[in-house]
Amino acid sequence: AQSVTQLDSQVPVFEEAPVELRCNYSSSVSVYLFWYVQYPNQGLQLLLKYLSGSTLVKGINGFEAEFNKSQTSFHLRKPSVHISDTAEYFCAVSMNYGGSQGNLIFGKGTKLSVKP
Amino acid sequence: DTGVSQDPRHKITKRGQNVTFRCDPISEHNRLYWYRQTLGQGPEFLTYFQNEAQLEKSRLLSDRFSAERPKGSFSTLEIQRTEQGDSAMYLCASSLARGGGYEQYFGPGTRLTVT
Repeated sequence: AQSVTQLDSQVPVFEEAPVELRCNYSSSVSVYLFWYVQYPNQGLQLLLKYLSGSTLVKGINGFEAEFNKSQTSFHLRKPSVHISDTAEYFCAVSMNYGGSQGNLIFGKGTKLSVKP
Repeated sequence: DTGVSQDPRHKITKRGQNVTFRCDPISEHNRLYWYRQTLGQGPEFLTYFQNEAQLEKSRLLSDRFSAERPKGSFSTLEIQRTEQGDSAMYLCASSLARGGGYEQYFGPGTRLTVT
């Protein structure tokens, strides 16, 4: 079975500071990795994904993440955050069924709070 | 592309009543997923369809829950004899089974409150 652990439930940070949101996963099979963002009272929006290839992936809004297979991690980073980045961030995995995707398994989320 | 839509956005019901939610996926997507999200938790998988076939159901989907996707387009999720523990956000997502970047596109959700 797969599982996802987001190590921080809340991360407060000042505007223009860098931020890292941590995610570790466990799986006995090949997986795809995702980060989603959820703004209040809205659905989830995909920030970025790792399917294969380069371990550093870039997403929308200046976010990037690095896949580390040996540490089974997929941490999300942004060099300089804005007030508008205040939201909840979810790390997710899905099994790779030989090129077909399974359902998503989510972590519990990290609430990023950007202060002026 | 109008995105994934869900109806209603909010539903308040009394314990014991039945409720039905609707999800309209992105038109060319053949996969449709239902997730449930409770306060302070990430979304949890409930079930998914490929076209009209329901391919997988989570153990979270008790006998009181039923989902359909009759013509491989929109889907409904029905909860019978609702309980207070059913209060949650119900999210629908759609995707292509292969390719398409493997991205699941989420709707805005239906927030259910059982009183």
